[in-house]
Amino acid sequence: EPEVTQTPSHQVTQMGQEVILRCVPISNHLYFYWYRQILGQKVEFLVSFYNNEISEKSEIFDDQFSVERPDGSNFTLKIRSTKLEDSAMYFCASRTNGGTQYFGPGTRLLVL
Amino acid sequence: KNEVEQSPQNLTAQEGEFITINCSYSVGISALHWLQQHPGGGIVSLFMLSSGKKKHGRLIATINIQEKHSSLHITASHPRDSAVYICAAYNNNDMRFGAGTRLTVKP
Repeated sequence: EPEVTQTPSHQVTQMGQEVILRCVPISNHLYFYWYRQILGQKVEFLVSFYNNEISEKSEIFDDQFSVERPDGSNFTLKIRSTKLEDSAMYFCASRTNGGTQYFGPGTRLLVL
Repeated sequence: KNEVEQSPQNLTAQEGEFITINCSYSVGISALHWLQQHPGGGIVSLFMLSSGKKKHGRLIATINIQEKHSSLHITASHPRDSAVYICAAYNNNDMRFGAGTRLTVKP
């Protein structure tokens, strides 16, 4: 069964460093999402992406964040200058038009 | 006030029991999702529904659009059903999540 994959599974970085989280959505999916979950808290929506542009973003998704689909398969989330409070699990998801979302396994980011 | 509220927060059941988890939302939606988050953190989508009722195996999800309420039922619960169940309201490519219900099913 096709699945969404994410790399790396874990990342540790120093405060102020840039990180890029990578996702490979399911190949025929057209809608892509990033979510985050701070430890012990609920899942939060960050951004949705369709047709090579952002369709919705939350108040969390400020200028420090950006998303890109650099080629036909990858979907990336970049955090330009990480803060301690960016430590969280980041989930990517994708779906077809009208379909349910499929989630990746997540990347656990720890900012020191 | 949270836009998506779930109850109960925690639920412990004996194997075989019928489980109900409730979700109320205050935002407009195009669909309501039920998700399952395993102890390792992985998230699986169980249902996406915009009206009526859906069934998959021992799981049943219902939604009442007028009352802005949805329920997830698990029949003949099993210890492998132990997980966090999350309700999420979806509209215009934006998803608002409930805090989750932690279900523990004891053998």
